[in-house]
Amino acid sequence: GAGVSQSPSNKVTEKGKDVELRCDPISGHTALYWYRQSLGQGLEFLIYFQGNSAPDKSGLPSDRFSAERTGGSVSTLTIQRTQQEDSAVYLCASSLVQGAGTEAFFGQGTRLTVV
Amino acid sequence: SQQGEEDPQALSIQEGENATMNCSYKTSINNLQWYRQNSGRGLVHLILIRSNEREKHSGRLRVTLDTSKKSSSLLITASRAADTASYFCAMPYGQNFVFGPGTRLSVLP
Repeated sequence: GAGVSQSPSNKVTEKGKDVELRCDPISGHTALYWYRQSLGQGLEFLIYFQGNSAPDKSGLPSDRFSAERTGGSVSTLTIQRTQQEDSAVYLCASSLVQGAGTEAFFGQGTRLTVV
Repeated sequence: SQQGEEDPQALSIQEGENATMNCSYKTSINNLQWYRQNSGRGLVHLILIRSNEREKHSGRLRVTLDTSKKSSSLLITASRAADTASYFCAMPYGQNFVFGPGTRLSVLP
C-alpha cells in the first residue's frame, strides 16, 4: 500500500478481554515501531522490529503485552486481559532501514478504549 | 533518559504570525527530527537535521540545531489555521528514537 495501515481504527473492549492490533507497514520497510499515546500526552515507545526480530522489548509495559512480526511485513500487537489504563491510541510506524536517522512513516493509529 | 523537553507546552497565535517551538535534549545526538500530529492520530515527518547542520529550511519551516546547548527550534513563518496541530521533536535513543511531550499549536483565524 501507499502508507502504513493500521486496523482497526477504533476498538472498544471490555476489561479483561484480549485485543489484537494490526499494522501493515510500507512495502520494503525493514524497521517497524509501536508506540502508545495517552490522551494529550507524548509518544511512549513500546517495541521495534528489525525484520522479524525484536531486539528491544524494553518498552512493553507488562507481560500482558506482546508483539510479533511475520514475513518481515505485518505486525500484530496483542494485549491480554485488558485494563482501563491500556486505553490509548496505539501508533505504528515503519522506516526503510532501521536506525534513528531515518524518516519514520506513521499509520493513523488504533484508538483503544477499555470499558 | 534521552527524552526531550519541548516548550512551550501550548502556543496560541494569530494567523500570519510566526510560531517558534523549542526542544532540548540530554545526551549527544547525531540527528534530530520534527513531526506534526493532527487530531491525535498519525504523525507526519517534517524535517530531519543532522548534528553537522546548524539550520535547515523546508517551505515555511525553519529548524535550527545548537549541539552545544543541546537544543533545537522549529519556526513556522506566516502561520495558517491549517498549521494548528501538535509538534514533536524526536531524537535517537539506541537504535530507536524517542519523542518529546510535544507543543500544541493553535493558529487563530
